[in-house]
Amino acid sequence: RKEVEQDPGPFNVPEGATVAFNCTYSNSASQSFFWYRQDCRKEPKLLMSVYSSGNEDGRFTAQLNRASQYISLLIRDSKLSDSATYLCAATPSGGSYIPTFGRGTSLIVHP
Amino acid sequence: GAVVSQHPSRVICKSGTSVKIECRSLDFQATTMFWYRQFPKQSLMLMATSNEGSKATYEQGVEKDKFLINHASLTLSTLTVTSAHPEDSSFYICSARGWTSGSAGWTGELFFGEGSRLTVL
Repeated sequence: RKEVEQDPGPFNVPEGATVAFNCTYSNSASQSFFWYRQDCRKEPKLLMSVYSSGNEDGRFTAQLNRASQYISLLIRDSKLSDSATYLCAATPSGGSYIPTFGRGTSLIVHP
Repeated sequence: GAVVSQHPSRVICKSGTSVKIECRSLDFQATTMFWYRQFPKQSLMLMATSNEGSKATYEQGVEKDKFLINHASLTLSTLTVTSAHPEDSSFYICSARGWTSGSAGWTGELFFGEGSRLTVL
């Protein structure tokens, strides 16, 4: 079983839709969690960190469920520009804090 | 925010040649940098952890003699792909961790370089 798993998609949604991605992690000792956005042939860019209490940034909401070991990303009112691959990452506690990435979920927002 | 710069962004070379990729942290010191490789539609795979002033730590299955890493200063790490072959063609991305303080305490976010797309003919 991979340490961090994501549904690769693609999720094909119309503009204005609400879409949610889940990401599961196997290491219960994981401490920090992040969502990254990666555009085609570009480097990943941090979208948001995921806190235990959940956090929101505009149209984006991230949630953490430690009991079930998953994190989620909710995108409301999807824009065409949201089309990208969304990577989740989990960082273990202790050691060198090297995050493990999921393979990403592809989102396509169409007119 | 923290910025990591990577160069070159794209390189095409003949089989058997060596290619050097540079990764610089522009506004912070990075004692540790990470090198990843990403094949199309695949996840980022950690290749090695680059430690300033000491040897890199390689992940299982990564040949340290083929992927030479040098981290000579707090702002520069280099990855050299030696005797490159077509199967080495990939997207290589470096990253460095910047520590930020927020509502949840200190979190170590990874800042990525722009990536280097290597094509070996």
